Amino acid sequence: EAQVTQNPRYLITVTGKKLTVTCSQNMNHEYMSWYRQDPGLGLRQIYYSMNVEVTDKGDVPEGYKVSRKEKRNFPLILESPSPNQTSLYFCASTTARGLFTDTQYFGPGTRLTVL
Amino acid sequence: AQSVTQPDIHITVSEGASLELRCNYSYGATPYLFWYVQSPGQGLQLLLKYFSGDTLVQGIKGFEAEFKRSQSSFNLRKPSVHWSDAAEYFCAVGAAGGSYIPTFGRGTSLIVHP
Repeated sequence: EAQVTQNPRYLITVTGKKLTVTCSQNMNHEYMSWYRQDPGLGLRQIYYSMNVEVTDKGDVPEGYKVSRKEKRNFPLILESPSPNQTSLYFCASTTARGLFTDTQYFGPGTRLTVL
Repeated sequence: AQSVTQPDIHITVSEGASLELRCNYSYGATPYLFWYVQSPGQGLQLLLKYFSGDTLVQGIKGFEAEFKRSQSSFNLRKPSVHWSDAAEYFCAVGAAGGSYIPTFGRGTSLIVHP
């Protein structure tokens, strides 16, 4: 089954404690991305990756890091989380060839609370 | 820069009634347009997309959308709403040949009354 998985699904942490949210896809997609969803703001892209070792900033990259060492994985790293990063996070993937014509698949979401 | 406006934060309809969710975009060239649905506690699922050709697009779950260039709109419609359609709906625009960052609207929450 084609899918994007994220872990953990729920996370409560404290300010400054480094955390990583994992994302994995089984569709051999080149393009992967991270979004955050906040009430009234819709989805905003944090980072995206066009392929292994190729990453770039989205609209709201401050406070986040990503890496793409393998095609299937695209972890999101918060080195020093702050309360304004409390949000719902989604990972997504699609083919780079059909970047906007092929379907973008979304993971189930990770709800992060930073105290 | 591209932008998407969903003017309605909430829409309430009765089951069996027709539905239209509004979406207006701003982009200099022909955009790629999408509608996604997010059920409670779930990720986003693509309903339909438009990038060329017939301006009336059919999607899954009985939804359709019409691209109107003169009005910069891409409204989503369904002739008869089911209670299971209650969800959050997002319109999105992608820029062909430009930025790889799609832009999402703020979403419209659909409430269905029995």
